[in-house]
Amino acid sequence: SQTIHQWPATLVQPVGSPLSLECTVEGTSNPNLYWYRQAAGRGLQLLFYSVGIGQISSEVPQNLSASRPQDRQFILSSKKLLLSDSGFYLCAWSIGTGTLTQYFGPGTRLLVL
Amino acid sequence: AQKVTQAQTEISVVEKEDVTLDCVYETRDTTYYLFWYKQPPSGELVFLIRRNSFDEQNEISGRYSWNFQKSTSSFNFTITASQVVDSAVYFCALTPWETSGSRLTFGEGTQLTVNP
Repeated sequence: SQTIHQWPATLVQPVGSPLSLECTVEGTSNPNLYWYRQAAGRGLQLLFYSVGIGQISSEVPQNLSASRPQDRQFILSSKKLLLSDSGFYLCAWSIGTGTLTQYFGPGTRLLVL
Repeated sequence: AQKVTQAQTEISVVEKEDVTLDCVYETRDTTYYLFWYKQPPSGELVFLIRRNSFDEQNEISGRYSWNFQKSTSSFNFTITASQVVDSAVYFCALTPWETSGSRLTFGEGTQLTVNP
């Protein structure tokens, strides 16, 4: 069965510091991978998605970037965090082509102070 | 452009009551998919159901049922005989059919509280 991991689970960072959040998927090959952010107030916003190694699509221009160095690894990064980057970051995966269900990881809670 | 509206921000019921969560969507695509996810206090989103735009049959799974009406662009979710464990934020989401990947547009969610 497939599982998705995210770490760290919780992170407190000062403004201006770098960020690296990691997401890995087990039990499947060539998944589609996604990063979402959930700010206070509950709405989820798609940040990036990837259909293959080195292929990244950005949905919202911002202070963040994403990379996919391996088939089942997706990394969310920032060179300098802003207060507005605080939130709950969720990674998700889906398989195959067409529109298939996305399955979410446990998330990372980021607080920028 | 796509949009999902969950007009009910918060709902509070007493255990064993039935409750319906509303979802209205907007899309110009003829082929699309609708989803419901549950987010318990732990934060992880749990997939509940997927529906494509050509399948308007209602679905029942235990205490859960879904009513998809294309004519009114609605995909409502009913919990029968609610339980305290149903307390969570519920999200409705929409995506067009795409050849690769899928980009979900979420509603703002409905916080359901089931009181004992």
